[in-house]
Amino acid sequence: AQTVTQSQPEMSVQEAETVTLSCTYDTSESDYYLFWYKQPPSRQMILVIRQEAYKQQNATENRFSVNFQKAAKSFSLKISDSQLGDAAMYFCAYKRGQNFVFGPGTRLSVLP
Amino acid sequence: EAGVAQSPRYKIIEKRQSVAFWCNPISGHATLYWYQQILGQGPKLLIQFQNNGVVDDSQLPKDRFSAERLKGVDSTLKIQPAKLEDSAVYLCASSLESRGDETQYFGPGTRLLVL
Repeated sequence: AQTVTQSQPEMSVQEAETVTLSCTYDTSESDYYLFWYKQPPSRQMILVIRQEAYKQQNATENRFSVNFQKAAKSFSLKISDSQLGDAAMYFCAYKRGQNFVFGPGTRLSVLP
Repeated sequence: EAGVAQSPRYKIIEKRQSVAFWCNPISGHATLYWYQQILGQGPKLLIQFQNNGVVDDSQLPKDRFSAERLKGVDSTLKIQPAKLEDSAVYLCASSLESRGDETQYFGPGTRLLVL
């Protein structure tokens, strides 16, 4: 079964600085999708960014970008110019067909 | 556009009691998901519907959990009887279809505490 690992239970970053959240996954498939979701305290989970495995180019959404290393099965999220509103739980997720697996999450704190 | 609605937001029951959660997806979304999120963990997919048919329920504890999506719109998730380990947040999500990259939109969740 596919597994998703996030080795950093908690991270903190100074406002306006850059932080990178790690994610690794295990799969024998070559075609799949990867996602980063954000879950703010007491608020709904929202999609931050997604990556198709067959695309070599790393996805970017404004201040959020990923470093996708397919051979290493690594999918890290970089947040640039961190803002107070970025404080949340961040979940990495893997999807292939009906199989959708979330990692355990990383709690990000943003320090003013 | 209204988001995914869930009710109730909180529920406290005693073990062996029954409980039901309701979800109303975004209008026009064919796919509906139920997740269980235990404190400190990521969400775990329980069941996925495509319209009113079940696509995947491989991780649903069928001896005590049931779910239905009548008419392909609203959905209910029931637990009968509840156990202490069922304490969790139950999230509902919907998407237009079930393509691999389709964005899932999540509801606020129902927080269940089983005493």
